[in-house]
Amino acid sequence: DAKTTQPPSMDCAEGRAANLPCNHSTISGNEYVYWYRQIHSQGPQYIIHGLKNNETNEMASLIITEDRKSSTLILPHATLRDTAVYYCIVRGPNDYKLSFGAGTTVTVRA
Amino acid sequence: EAGVAQSPRYKIIEKRQSVAFWCNPISGHATLYWYQQILGQGPKLLIQFQNNGVVDDSQLPKDRFSAERLKGVDSTLKIQPAKLEDSAVYLCASSGRTGANVLTFGAGSRLTVL
Repeated sequence: DAKTTQPPSMDCAEGRAANLPCNHSTISGNEYVYWYRQIHSQGPQYIIHGLKNNETNEMASLIITEDRKSSTLILPHATLRDTAVYYCIVRGPNDYKLSFGAGTTVTVRA
Repeated sequence: EAGVAQSPRYKIIEKRQSVAFWCNPISGHATLYWYQQILGQGPKLLIQFQNNGVVDDSQLPKDRFSAERLKGVDSTLKIQPAKLEDSAVYLCASSGRTGANVLTFGAGSRLTVL
């Protein structure tokens, strides 16, 4: 029972920014938004997470709307190695498990 | 730091046979998870351990699946007897007591039941 909605697939051009949307309209005030990705034949890999403020790390940026009902993961300069399934997950502060939906299959094209 | 180790990487068995998967989490990580990922779907939690105690096994088909985590370190997941629908990738993950509580996953064990 995933609490998020993501498009099933999207393409992006190598070297361009990839903007991955996620809707989480029922998110509670203390729930975090997490992003993981899964490259083919590998386990999921943590990317970034946030509560209210926008976050940035070496992999990506996370933009959360003011009402917190949606967010966007930004890969600033997509490479072919970014081709993967990207999962947006809502998780409470005391919830130690992750509940995965179907995610977005992102294909980066040369 | 070393990652989460899993073995075997691939296993093919006949239905009704048994199989076991092994996981060695990141050193010091108290929480260990087993997920099942059927082709084309997101991972589904089977069982969660905190040290060597079970926290959540509500999604584990207990008539055929079992898991243990002796001494709060390594873990094994067993299926007996296997069914065709058990064909999947079995992912192990671990997490430590950090603020972000990030899960680190292994590469998974791919099971094919014929």
